[in-house]
Amino acid sequence: DTGVSQDPRHKITKRGQNVTFRCDPISEHNRLYWYRQTLGQGPEFLTYFQNEAQLEKSRLLSDRFSAERPKGSFSTLEIQRTEQGDSAMYLCASSLFRPTADTQYFGPGTRLTVL
Amino acid sequence: AQKVTQAQTEISVVEKEDVTLDCVYETRDTTYYLFWYKQPPSGELVFLIRRNSFDEQNEISGRYSWNFQKSTSSFNFTITASQVVDSAVYFCALSESEGETSGSRVTFGEGTQLTVNP
Repeated sequence: DTGVSQDPRHKITKRGQNVTFRCDPISEHNRLYWYRQTLGQGPEFLTYFQNEAQLEKSRLLSDRFSAERPKGSFSTLEIQRTEQGDSAMYLCASSLFRPTADTQYFGPGTRLTVL
Repeated sequence: AQKVTQAQTEISVVEKEDVTLDCVYETRDTTYYLFWYKQPPSGELVFLIRRNSFDEQNEISGRYSWNFQKSTSSFNFTITASQVVDSAVYFCALSESEGETSGSRVTFGEGTQLTVNP
């Protein structure tokens, strides 16, 4: 099995630009999660999907953030009108929910720098 | 609300020393999962262990061992005979384990930076 993959690994953008990140989960996993991690902190939950349905969103996910998982496979996280405070590592994880949750396995992350 | 506290921000040891990373948690859930993850300098979070709250048996895996004490809400992690390759940030984490949202939102501690010097 290949692990969770994320693209791009690094993104530098100017304030006000839009950015989109992609996550490909482990193939048989039905749940996909997004987290944000700032320097010196643990990951913070943003949102998660079960198949194509977005089941929960954190208060951290402002209106400028949108996530999709259109066919229940890969997911995208878009940030509109980026701000310097959006600079962080964005982590994606996946798991198999059966009806008890399995462990979340993480991808390598996308490091976003907003200038 | 769930909370995970890792009081040790940084630990530095010399190779072959034993080291224990502390983790204390708070939750109102009667059943829950506890986790440890490792984050090496490359940045990818690596899963180490998951423990269900009803299973208080301690676990050993090679040089790693975990001590779960429900009475004190602690889930400590010990590395025996540490090696330079153990240098990383270690995160303790917590999630609920019942119902349709089981295992969804994982709450992480702030992490402990372990440096093992040769």
